Amino acid sequence: DAKTTQPPSMDCAEGRAANLPCNHSTISGNEYVYWYRQIHSQGPQYIIHGLKNNETNEMASLIITEDRKSSTLILPHATLRDTAVYYCIVRVEKTGFQKLVFGTGTRLLVSP
Amino acid sequence: DAGVTQSPTHLIKTRGQQVTLRCSPKSGHDTVSWYQQALGQGPQFIFQYYEEEERQRGNFPDRFSGHQFPNYSSELNVNALWLGDSALYLCASSLALDSSYNEQFFGPGTRLTVL
Repeated sequence: DAKTTQPPSMDCAEGRAANLPCNHSTISGNEYVYWYRQIHSQGPQYIIHGLKNNETNEMASLIITEDRKSSTLILPHATLRDTAVYYCIVRVEKTGFQKLVFGTGTRLLVSP
Repeated sequence: DAGVTQSPTHLIKTRGQQVTLRCSPKSGHDTVSWYQQALGQGPQFIFQYYEEEERQRGNFPDRFSGHQFPNYSSELNVNALWLGDSALYLCASSLALDSSYNEQFFGPGTRLTVL
């Protein structure tokens, strides 16, 4: 079962920052928060992940609240190609086995 | 470096038939996971294979079965197809021993339509 809650859709103007929220209030201490995105029914693409600290890579930044019950994915300068469904995922740890539990995702529309 | 590949890209079957989908993992990866994505929904975990064995299974009936070969490639088999099996089937590969950073790489998927 999915363990995350995301808004179904968001809009963003091209060039502006896109801030995508995610609620994961039942997350366990050893579970990571992952973000993937899926463009037009292609396979999902990894964006970023984190456990407790904020993370940044070439694609995005991930801000995790201190109580770890929510997080925000930030695309600093959204482009039209960032239009996609964004999934916030809690990675279930189980004796070395990992699976991704996808929620409903947020459909981000970046407009000119 | 080839990423995850899946075949075929599209498939049309009729109810009651059987289907086999194939996946080749990213070079260097030893673990393959399969997901089903119905239209408008997020992917749902079916099962995962490592060392040629099924490690964990999602909430899918026994009609869904799989196999992993010594070269780490994998097959997903679905028997007695019904209309509700129409979906995009995604394969993802990862490296099992890299437990601290287990990014899963997804293939483009196989679109299965059951008529």
